[in-house]
Amino acid sequence: AQSVTQLDSHVSVSEGTPVLLRCNYSSSYSPSLFWYVQHPNKGLQLLLKYTSAATLVKGINGFEAEFKKSETSFHLTKPSAHMSDAAEYFCVVSEGGSTLGRLYFGRGTQLTVWP
Amino acid sequence: GAGVSQSPRYKVAKRGQDVALRCDPISGHVSLFWYQQALGQGPEFLTYFQNEAQLDKSGLPSDRFFAERPEGSVSTLKIQRTQQEDSAVYLCASSLGLAGLGEQFFGPGTRLTVL
Repeated sequence: AQSVTQLDSHVSVSEGTPVLLRCNYSSSYSPSLFWYVQHPNKGLQLLLKYTSAATLVKGINGFEAEFKKSETSFHLTKPSAHMSDAAEYFCVVSEGGSTLGRLYFGRGTQLTVWP
Repeated sequence: GAGVSQSPRYKVAKRGQDVALRCDPISGHVSLFWYQQALGQGPEFLTYFQNEAQLDKSGLPSDRFFAERPEGSVSTLKIQRTQQEDSAVYLCASSLGLAGLGEQFFGPGTRLTVL
């Protein structure tokens, strides 16, 4: 069975400081892992994805995530937060088998960026 | 071309009414997904279409929920005899290839409120 746990429901940082959004997953197969961002009144946007290639994945807007199989983690980081990064972030897992293509979302982490 | 569009963006229904939610996927996209996002939660899978064929409807919460995509393009999610627990944002996503291949692009969602 697959599931996603986002360890923080809210994260607050000051502009210019690092961002860390934590995610742990469980999966019966070799999963694909994603981070999506949701700005108010806008659709979900893909930030980055891991599909069994390089374990360090770079995405848009300076975000990156590292797949650590031994820790079943896929934490999202950014060296320096910007005001425009304030949004809801979702860690997502997808796997093969009978659920091919289905995305399983975590509960989300609300990121607040203070000036 | 344009992204995924959904209409209406907001819908208020009285308990017991039927509602129909529309999704216009990106032109040429083979796969179409519906997700339900309750307040404070991540989206949850409802159903999946490959062209006009509904290949997976295991996420539909009850037989009051029905989805169709008769010509392999526009899709409609219908909810009969709405209940308060149906209040949520309904998200549609499409992808160019078959399920599990390629990024899912999300629409802005329809926020359904059942009074």
